[in-house]
Amino acid sequence: DTGVSQNPRHKITKRGQNVTFRCDPISEHNRLYWYRQTLGQGPEFLTYFQNEAQLEKSRLLSDRFSAERPKGSFSTLEIQRTEQGDSAMYLCASSLSVSGKDTQYFGPGTRLTVL
Amino acid sequence: AQTVTQSQPEMSVQEAETVTLSCTYDTSESDYYLFWYKQPPSRQMILVIRQEAYKQQNATENRFSVNFQKAAKSFSLKISDSQLGDAAMYFCAYIRGGSNYKLTFGKGTLLTVNP
Repeated sequence: DTGVSQNPRHKITKRGQNVTFRCDPISEHNRLYWYRQTLGQGPEFLTYFQNEAQLEKSRLLSDRFSAERPKGSFSTLEIQRTEQGDSAMYLCASSLSVSGKDTQYFGPGTRLTVL
Repeated sequence: AQTVTQSQPEMSVQEAETVTLSCTYDTSESDYYLFWYKQPPSRQMILVIRQEAYKQQNATENRFSVNFQKAAKSFSLKISDSQLGDAAMYFCAYIRGGSNYKLTFGKGTLLTVNP
């Protein structure tokens, strides 16, 4: 039984470059979430998918951010024209929705550093 | 909007002793769930314990238990017989019941366990 996996674990990029992160959820989970965690803070919700549909996006998710979950399996989070303020840990979580009682299980995160 | 407050940025405990981490939250909802997550240094966030708001009985998981005071909107975590492996950042989190998806986290409490 594998957990949520994320790749890469670390990414260093220069300001203005595009980056893409991948999340592989627990296999039977139909919901997938993205959060962002900055130093000294708790994670903040960015967006979530139920199967392949993106159902909610936070106002934190600017137009430079896009997320996809083709075929309801893995998900990608792309940041275009990165800024130094995008430096953070990007966490993915997944859950199995059962009457609203699902529990989210987190991956190890991708730490992004924008120089 | 729901908010979660952890008033203790740092706590320390001697190995084998008991420590209590505090959390308060603000919501107008009656159906919700509360969680404690543990995030060890450079490792992924894992679920420690979960409490359904409609349950009066406090949740327990081995050495971990909660004191859920619904009227006071308080949700503290007690760790008994503390072990070195308990050292981590602990986050309190809230999610609205039903089909909600968004976890709201506190800022965390850094727990140090002294040998």
